[in-house]
Amino acid sequence: GAVVSQHPSWVICKSGTSVKIECRSLDFQATTMFWYRQFPKQSLMLMATSNEGSKATYEQGVEKDKFLINHASLTLSTLTVTSAHPEDSSFYICSARDFQVALDTQYFGPGTRLTVL
Amino acid sequence: AQSVTQLDSQVPVFEEAPVELRCNYSSSVSVYLFWYVQYPNQGLQLLLKYLSGSTLVKGINGFEAEFNKSQTSFHLRKPSVHISDTAEYFCAVSDATSYGKLTFGQGTILTVHP
Repeated sequence: GAVVSQHPSWVICKSGTSVKIECRSLDFQATTMFWYRQFPKQSLMLMATSNEGSKATYEQGVEKDKFLINHASLTLSTLTVTSAHPEDSSFYICSARDFQVALDTQYFGPGTRLTVL
Repeated sequence: AQSVTQLDSQVPVFEEAPVELRCNYSSSVSVYLFWYVQYPNQGLQLLLKYLSGSTLVKGINGFEAEFNKSQTSFHLRKPSVHISDTAEYFCAVSDATSYGKLTFGQGTILTVHP
């Protein structure tokens, strides 16, 4: 089946630094990728929709200048958390949609746990 | 706007017992419905989905769900659970106009006891 990877799987950083998280579709091309964040014991909240070659679409309440998303190729999207603060600590999960399969088919990455000290 | 409500935050059950995880949704248009499972510190794995057609959907690991339009429900069932089914389960909804965006429920932690 289709595989989506994320790197790193976990990261610890100091407050004020920036962190980049990569999301890759390993065996299919993904025109669309989604970024979610999940706080402990809570559900996934969609942050943004990333389309290859165009600007990301952010959900209401998500700061686009803080969470920079780049989708430069059909197999890679990156999320950069700029000037991270402890409240940004969370589990970040990406998903990718295979454009050759039905629009409803999404494959999720294993997630990246970010801890900001 | 869509919303999903998972009625139980935690469901404890003994091994080999049946289980039902409840999910209700609201939407103004026809929906697509999904159940995902999440093991600790992992991403989500699709269990099953309803797009159209038969209201009884069978998924992986022996799970099934029934779409009930009149009750706006999509409950997940398994006739006999295993210890390995211990995980968190999420119900999610999208539709043809949301371009793949999923709205998730709050999650239900299923704990299977020996």
